[in-house]
Amino acid sequence: EVQLVESGGTLVQPGRSLRLSCITSGFNFRDHTLSWVRQAPGKGLDWVGFIKSEPYGGTTEYAASVKGRFTISRDNSKSIVYLQMNSLKTEDTAVYYCCRRLPLSRGYGMDVWGQGTTVTVSS
Amino acid sequence: DIQLTQSPSFLSASVGDKVTVTCRASQGISSYLAWYQQKPGKAPKLLIYAASTLQSGVPSRFSGSGSGTDFTLTISSLQSEDFATYYCQQLNSNPQFGGGTKVEI
Repeated sequence: EVQLVESGGTLVQPGRSLRLSCITSGFNFRDHTLSWVRQAPGKGLDWVGFIKSEPYGGTTEYAASVKGRFTISRDNSKSIVYLQMNSLKTEDTAVYYCCRRLPLSRGYGMDVWGQGTTVTVSS
Repeated sequence: DIQLTQSPSFLSASVGDKVTVTCRASQGISSYLAWYQQKPGKAPKLLIYAASTLQSGVPSRFSGSGSGTDFTLTISSLQSEDFATYYCQQLNSNPQFGGGTKVEI
């Protein structure tokens, strides 16, 4: 069974840092692009960024709202993807989801999602 | 950046109704569009990818159509378990979600 399990969400003060983890299982991790998507309380879905698969160099892309503050990385030996969040702002408060991206041949949709982890940025 | 305009934002419907949600992109995105269903407190679920391909396990009452800038999600006969919020997402460039459509009783 394909699974994604996020962890690391907590209450953190503005300006501080936090790292989220997404432990995956049940598929060939190295061959898949992984994304982070967030959802602020009562709001819609907001794409954060992705990290490409190992064959595509593991390069990253980010939404403008987090570029320069957030960094996505992956450990292919452990099948884990990370989201390092620095200089956190109150508007970063959200449930953060990790999700797997389909390949180009299937239009890049996100077919498997974790359960989410909650980040609250508040003083 | 490509903008997605999803409509309507809210939709009241009854069991058995045919429901249509539209998604318009600010520029052409070929068929790089997906649809998701989200229920309260749950992660989104992929319904449709590549604009019109039904994800495995999704009931056939769901269908998607369109290409370029205009896309549609149709539920042919609404069931009680379909009351949820639906999102479109473009994947032609850095991904972007539509604002969502809440389908209510």
